[in-house]
Amino acid sequence: LAKTTQPISMDSYEGQEVNITCSHNNIATNDYITWYQQFPSQGPRFIIQGYKTKVTNEVASLFIPADRKSSTLSLPRVSLSDTAVYYCLAYNTDKLIFGTGTRLQVFP
Amino acid sequence: DTEVTQTPKHLVMGMTNKKSLKCEQHMGHRAMYWYKQKAKKPPELMFVYSYEKLSINESVPSRFSPECPNSSLLNLHLHALQPEDSALYLCASSQDPAGESGELFFGEGSRLTVL
Repeated sequence: LAKTTQPISMDSYEGQEVNITCSHNNIATNDYITWYQQFPSQGPRFIIQGYKTKVTNEVASLFIPADRKSSTLSLPRVSLSDTAVYYCLAYNTDKLIFGTGTRLQVFP
Repeated sequence: DTEVTQTPKHLVMGMTNKKSLKCEQHMGHRAMYWYKQKAKKPPELMFVYSYEKLSINESVPSRFSPECPNSSLLNLHLHALQPEDSALYLCASSQDPAGESGELFFGEGSRLTVL
């Protein structure tokens, strides 16, 4: 299983774009990359998943370079309610292992 | 219905008690999971059921006993727990056991306190 590395914490202000980068140097050819968001005392919530290049949905974008050794979650125009922990996972089976995550704090 | 429902939300038990955590989903998902989460730590995978059969046990102590009575239900039986087992226990499900979608649906968890 690929080990993922993320910054422990990030701060931002409302309305800004936030980019959280995840490193997964030993990602396997058939690994997917997925991101989850977790609020305190709640279960994680799926945000986005990709394999290569760029994926966009209604809440975020995921950028994966050609070598796939890293990925970047982009949150456009964050609000206070985006304050949460964000987890990056690289997986290829039903064994989804969470890394340490990035604690994002959004200030007014 | 896109919910995973866990009961009870809170549970306090002594080290000699036997209790169970329950999880239910009606999305027709074929894989179900138990995770354990300590404060300010990431969720740790405990068990995975695929098509109602235990497919992954992450070397979990035998005082935790999972059970999947049918495709919609997942139980975690608890016996002779230790105070360090106090944590938030999260249940999740996914449509595809092979994990291609990467999308797990989590419940809100059962917060367990062992005295």
